[in-house]
Amino acid sequence: EVQLVESGGGLVQRGGSLRLSCTAFGFRLSTYSMNWVRQAPGKGLEWVSYIGADFRTMYYADSVRGRFTISRDKDSLYLQMNSLRDEDTAMYFCVRDDGAEGFDPWGQGTLVTVSS
Amino acid sequence: QSVLTQPPSVSGAPGQRVTISCTGSSSNIGAGHDVHWYQQLPGTAPKVLIYGHTNRPSGVSDRFSGSKSGTSASLAITGLQAGDEAHYYCQSYDSSLSTYAIFGGGTKLTVL
Repeated sequence: EVQLVESGGGLVQRGGSLRLSCTAFGFRLSTYSMNWVRQAPGKGLEWVSYIGADFRTMYYADSVRGRFTISRDKDSLYLQMNSLRDEDTAMYFCVRDDGAEGFDPWGQGTLVTVSS
Repeated sequence: QSVLTQPPSVSGAPGQRVTISCTGSSSNIGAGHDVHWYQQLPGTAPKVLIYGHTNRPSGVSDRFSGSKSGTSASLAITGLQAGDEAHYYCQSYDSSLSTYAIFGGGTKLTVL
C-alpha cells in the first residue's frame, strides 16, 4: 500500500524551531516531487513548499519563505521550520506530487502548535 | 483571500445534484493550468477526487465529475449521499505568483 507518514510535530514556543519528517511506504520517494501542505484549525488548505525529484528545485509560499526550508534525502522528506509564529499553528501534511494527476497520496498529518 | 474562489457552503437533499464552482483568472485556470479537486471527510486527510479538470482516479464513484470553462472549473456530484458530506477543495497553479500551487478556500457540502 502506498502511504506517507509524517512525524516531528508538537508544541513549540513562538520564535522557536521544529523539524518535520516524512517517510514513504510502498513507493520510492526519491523518484517523485513532493510537497508540504498545511491546514490551520478549522481552516482550509494552504500549500507550503515543493521540492523536485531533482533534489534542487524548491518553491515556498510567501508566508513561510525565509523561515522554512524543505529538503530531502533518498528515503525521507523534511521541513525545517524556524522563527515560528502563532499563525504557523496547523496540521502539516506531506503530499506526493503526481504532476498531472494532482497531489496523491497525502499523509495523515502532524500537528504543530505554536504557543507564546 | 484565496486566489481561487469557492462558495463557502452548498447543500442538497439525498439523491439530488449539486455543483461547486472554482473561479480563477487568466493566470491560473484561464492559462490552461490543471485543476484538481480534493475531498476531505471529517477528521481525515484530503484525497484526490478529480484530476486534470475531468479525470477520476480509479475507485472514485462516477457520481463525481469535473468540468472547466474559461477561468472557472466546477465539480458536480449527482445522487447525493450522506457519505458525501465533506469539505471540497479545488487546486491549480498560477503563472503570475512566486509560488507553485494554489488552493481554493474550500466548500462545505451538507447533505440535508
